[in-house]
Amino acid sequence: QQQVKQSPQSLIVQKGGISIINCAYENTAFDYFPWYQQFPGKGPALLIAIRPDVSEKKEGRFTISFNKSAKQFSLHIMDSQPGDSATYFCAARGNSGTASKLTFGTGTRLQVTL
Amino acid sequence: DTEVTQTPKHLVMGMTNKKSLKCEQHMGHRAMYWYKQKAKKPPELMFVYSYEKLSINESVPSRFSPECPNSSLLNLHLHALQPEDSALYLCASSQGQGSETQYFGPGTRLLVL
Repeated sequence: QQQVKQSPQSLIVQKGGISIINCAYENTAFDYFPWYQQFPGKGPALLIAIRPDVSEKKEGRFTISFNKSAKQFSLHIMDSQPGDSATYFCAARGNSGTASKLTFGTGTRLQVTL
Repeated sequence: DTEVTQTPKHLVMGMTNKKSLKCEQHMGHRAMYWYKQKAKKPPELMFVYSYEKLSINESVPSRFSPECPNSSLLNLHLHALQPEDSALYLCASSQGQGSETQYFGPGTRLLVL
């Protein structure tokens, strides 16, 4: 029940296109859903995050869409750029005790081609 | 300053060696974390310290020994590791254990021969 399922495993998008990564969860106690971006040889960096009381959050070219009833959330990268090429992890977190630890999805390797 | 620093960047050690990984943050955060990340996999939580006390141990083998000397420092002592322990070891911190945003360091890439 702690699992977060992420798809696709890898994604190739042309420059200027839209990249879409999807995640699904089972645990209804999760109340915070961040996306992390990781470049090779670097630690993950928080990109954008959402709480389940909103259905969408946008920051620049990055948008999270959240569907509470379906227990799904997705990351949309508009006008994808070669510099966006990285691995993206969705995650989920509960709100107390051991549930407050981050549960990560399996990751999506995004390649943006010229 | 939202930086978490880790030393060394790379470490090669034999199975009989003893080594330590270090992590430092000066953001006043009171929760610090150790994660292990294998290639093409997500980070896996190992330990959580909250207010310098061990809060979570994810059933990590005793050959990994964490230490939190003060609120800014976190160490991971390594002894008698196995080749399968080779991985990227990430440190992270957050304002508190229940805080939302975790800031990750760049990691130490460990190779056990």
